[in-house]
Formats: sequence, C-alpha cells, structure tokens
Amino acid sequence: AQTVTQSQPEMSVQEAETVTLSCTYDTSESDYYLFWYKQPPSRQMILVIRQEAYKQQNATENRFSVNFQKAAKSFSLKISDSQLGDAAMYFCAFDTGTASKLTFGTGTRLQVTL
Amino acid sequence: GAVVSQHPSRVICKSGTSVKIECRSLDFQATTMFWYRQFPKKSLMLMATSNEGSKATYEQGVEKDKFLINHASLTLSTLTVTSAHPEDSSFYICSARGHWGRTDTQYFGPGTRLTVL
Repeated sequence: AQTVTQSQPEMSVQEAETVTLSCTYDTSESDYYLFWYKQPPSRQMILVIRQEAYKQQNATENRFSVNFQKAAKSFSLKISDSQLGDAAMYFCAFDTGTASKLTFGTGTRLQVTL
Repeated sequence: GAVVSQHPSRVICKSGTSVKIECRSLDFQATTMFWYRQFPKKSLMLMATSNEGSKATYEQGVEKDKFLINHASLTLSTLTVTSAHPEDSSFYICSARGHWGRTDTQYFGPGTRLTVL
C-alpha cells in the first residue's frame, strides 16, 4: 500500500519570501504520479503542480516548483515570492496511474503574513 | 479547462430523507469520477470510484446501500445519500479524472456541505 507523509502540520511565511513544504511517500511502484493540491478557505481543491515519476526534470508552474528526489521518495513544494492568496491547506498526493486512486497526505496549513 | 461543477453547494435536510448531489465535468469527458468525504481540518477520504456505465467500487467501510452512486454519462455522476442521519453531515467532494498525455489527473468540484437535522 502507498503512504504519503506530510510532517509539517503548519507553516508560516512572510509575504514575498520563499517557503518549502515537505512530502515523502512510500511505494513499491516504479511508475507513478505526484501532485500538490491547494485547498483555500473556500474548500475548492485546486491542482498546483504535478510530476511524472519517469521524468527527472523537476516540474515548475510559475512561482511553484518541486524538488523530486525519486531515490529518497521525497517530493517537496517550493513557493517563491509568497502572496497572501497562497494561504491555504496544501495536500501532497500520489497516484500509480493503473490503480488511479489518489493517496493524500494529511496536509500542511500555510499561513502568509505581512 | 478541466472544470468540474458540483450541485448543490449546500443542502440542509431532515433526518430520514434522501439527498442527491450531482457532479459534472464541464469541458472534458471523464470515464472515472470519485467521491470523497472530508471532515473538518482533515484530509480527503475516498468513498467510492465511479466508472461510466458500470457499478461503483466502494472503499472498505462505506455502505453502498446508503451512498448510492450513478455514473450515467461521461460527464455526470450522482451521489445519493439515502435515509440521511446527522452523522452523515459532512463536506462531500467529487473529482473527475482527465487524461493528458501520460498523466491522469483528478480535477475537483467545489464540494457540497450536507447538514442533516
């Protein structure tokens, strides 16, 4: 069974600064996908970024980038130039593709301060 | 692109009644849809996987007779909570899976808050 661990229940960052949210996972699969989803107070789950395990290059989406370390089974999210709108719960998630079920971590609540 | 709608956004019902929640993929066809339940300040708990034209697959511990799922088309899945009780009060979220290249990605609806009195 796959597991996803987010060891930081809460994080705080000042506006315009950079913050990194950590995520580790455990799987015996070799081909899989990793995601970061954001859930703001509206509770709408929003896809932030996705990474295919077969790709060595780290995914980036504007101010969001990941540090994917396959051997270490680590998938951290870096948010640069943090904005007030980035305040939300962030969930790391794993999908094998064939099983097609997302396994979520417990989430990290990010606060952005002025 | 990849928009998923959910209706209603909020519903209040009396104990013993049934409630239907709709999930639609608006701009893509979704062969698979998922239903989740989320408790306050918790992660999402998968209830069932719904494939178009076939019976839903329920996760362990989820009562299939209580949570009826129908996936009638490639863009619509419904969740009916039958004989609802106060303990069924929760936030229900659906997602639809789209295929882009090699990546299957789930896109989520905005959720439905169910309150059973």
